[in-house]
Amino acid sequence: AQTVTQSQPEMSVQEAETVTLSCTYDTSENNYYLFWYKQPPSRQMILVIRQEAYKQQNATENRFSVNFQKAAKSFSLKISDSQLGDTAMYFCAFMNGGYNNNDMRFGAGTRLTVKP
Amino acid sequence: NAGVTQTPKFQVLKTGQSMTLQCAQDMNHNSMYWYRQDPGMGLRLIYYSASEGTTDKGEVPNGYNVSRLNKREFSLRLESAAPSQTSVYFCASIRYSDYGYTFGSGTRLTVV
Repeated sequence: AQTVTQSQPEMSVQEAETVTLSCTYDTSENNYYLFWYKQPPSRQMILVIRQEAYKQQNATENRFSVNFQKAAKSFSLKISDSQLGDTAMYFCAFMNGGYNNNDMRFGAGTRLTVKP
Repeated sequence: NAGVTQTPKFQVLKTGQSMTLQCAQDMNHNSMYWYRQDPGMGLRLIYYSASEGTTDKGEVPNGYNVSRLNKREFSLRLESAAPSQTSVYFCASIRYSDYGYTFGSGTRLTVV
């Protein structure tokens, strides 16, 4: 079974600085997707960024980027120019590709606090 | 607005009571999911439905039942609520165009 591990329960960063959240996963599959979700106090799950395993290029969305190391099964999230609105829980998640067994496996989450 | 609608948003139950959490999506998605979120454990899959008329157990199905009433609706039932079922529950459906999930806004359930 696939597992997702986030080893940092809590992190903090000063506004405008850069922070990296770590995630590792375990799978024997070759076709899969990785995600980072943000959950603010409203508890809405918001997709931050996604990565297809077959793509070597790291995904980027504005201030958010990932470092995808397939061989090491590592998928870290870098937030540049941190803003107060980035304060939230962040979840790393894994999903098999194809059209079966597309349930998402989540890590335990990292609570990020951006300090003014 | 297209999306996943969950009701209710909040609920308090007494131990032993039953209730059904409702979920509906209007995006014509085939697969739907129920997750529970507990502190320090992320989201864990309770049940899922790959298509209308089919349901399967996930990681933590004990104490729950589900019904895929039609393509739009996927309900989660607690027959005899227990304090261990105090949690936040999320319904989701999958977009195969990008393998992204659309989540509902969640239900905070407290069992006393």
